[in-house]
Amino acid sequence: EPEVTQTPSHQVTQMGQEVILRCVPISNHLYFYWYRQILGQKVEFLVSFYNNEISEKSEIFDDQFSVERPDGSNFTLKIRSTKLEDSAMYFCASSSDREDQPQHFGDGTRLSIL
Amino acid sequence: AQKITQTQPGMFVQEKEAVTLDCTYDTSDQSYGLFWYKQPSSGEMIFLIYQGSYDEQNATEGRYSLNFQKARKSANLVISASQLGDSAMYFCAMRKDRGQNFVFGPGTRLSVLP
Repeated sequence: EPEVTQTPSHQVTQMGQEVILRCVPISNHLYFYWYRQILGQKVEFLVSFYNNEISEKSEIFDDQFSVERPDGSNFTLKIRSTKLEDSAMYFCASSSDREDQPQHFGDGTRLSIL
Repeated sequence: AQKITQTQPGMFVQEKEAVTLDCTYDTSDQSYGLFWYKQPSSGEMIFLIYQGSYDEQNATEGRYSLNFQKARKSANLVISASQLGDSAMYFCAMRKDRGQNFVFGPGTRLSVLP
């Protein structure tokens, strides 16, 4: 069964550094998402992407964040200047255009900011 | 704005017994989808079951069923014949329309006792 893949599984970065999290969504999916989950807390929406542009973003997704689909397969989340509070699990997800279909999540990237 | 409430932060169930995990939601939309995800200690998000707001029958998927009461805005997950491998966090989520982001509840941690 096709799946969403995320790399790396764990990223350790110094505060203030830039980090790029990578995702390969399911190939025939049209909608792409990033969520984050701070340890022990609920999953929070960051941004959704459709037709090569951001379709929706949350208050969390400020100017430090950006997303890109640089080619036909990858979907990236960039954090420009990381802060301690960016430490979290970041999930990429993708979905088809059928409303009864779920979002398929990758296994996540655990980001640790030192 | 949409909101999901899961009032049980933790639940215990004896192996082989059934358990109900509560989920209530708040929305002014007429059309929406409700989803349940399982998150084991390894961290990945596993889709379990979907219920559309216009579905007249409760969704079932193997040992999972959804007790959907639209007038009460509740979508409780029922797990029958619990297994040790069911121990995990369970998240209820709502999506307004295809392509829209999920709003997640805070989750319920289920522990299955041998």
